[in-house]
Amino acid sequence: GAVVSQHPSRVICKSGTSVKIECRSLDFQATTMFWYRQFPKKSLMLMATSNEGSKATYEQGVEKDKFLINHASLTLSTLTVTSAHPEDSSFYICSARGERTSGQETQYFGPGTRLLVL
Amino acid sequence: QKEVEQDPGPLSVPEGAIVSLNCTYSNSAFQYFMWYRQYSRKGPELLMYTYSSGNKEDGRFTAQVDKSSKYISLFIRDSQPSDSATYLCAMSPNHKLIFGTGTLLAVQP
Repeated sequence: GAVVSQHPSRVICKSGTSVKIECRSLDFQATTMFWYRQFPKKSLMLMATSNEGSKATYEQGVEKDKFLINHASLTLSTLTVTSAHPEDSSFYICSARGERTSGQETQYFGPGTRLLVL
Repeated sequence: QKEVEQDPGPLSVPEGAIVSLNCTYSNSAFQYFMWYRQYSRKGPELLMYTYSSGNKEDGRFTAQVDKSSKYISLFIRDSQPSDSATYLCAMSPNHKLIFGTGTLLAVQP
């Protein structure tokens, strides 16, 4: 079954509005959560890395004021796309890193959120 | 040169064929190697995780790592139409994953 959930799975919004995406690790505590963006037929592009209780680390070229990340607990991280514009339309995927099986810490992905900004 | 190179395909094979997917990399510091499967419009699903050189088998899937050649492979035996997806290799020296571009696989019934 799913180990990482994302909500919503799909969102359509008007230009200028803000959109919040939630990412939860379901049966383990995530030491680190990652947010990715994926364009059609392209690989995943890491946007930022967040650890619970501390500020997110953003990749080069990703605007931290545009993509707000809050890692409130060991099982929840949120990504808020502020003042969304059509060029922000994309598939956003979160990932959680933690130890689900003894001695093996690895990274599990959520199902993704498809954002369409009109 | 990209850190991780992966042929994007598409790769089309008949049902029952053995599929070989490959990635090469340039950073000798990579220690962790993973293969993910991604169906269209879904998030990636972890298939295989390996730490060292050698083979690891799980059902119809075998992951192979050759650190000396900086080359990793994923073999799928008795391929099924349900295996049709994009397969992403990923690797890291620590906690940050570097992904290949993904190979689109189509298994024809």
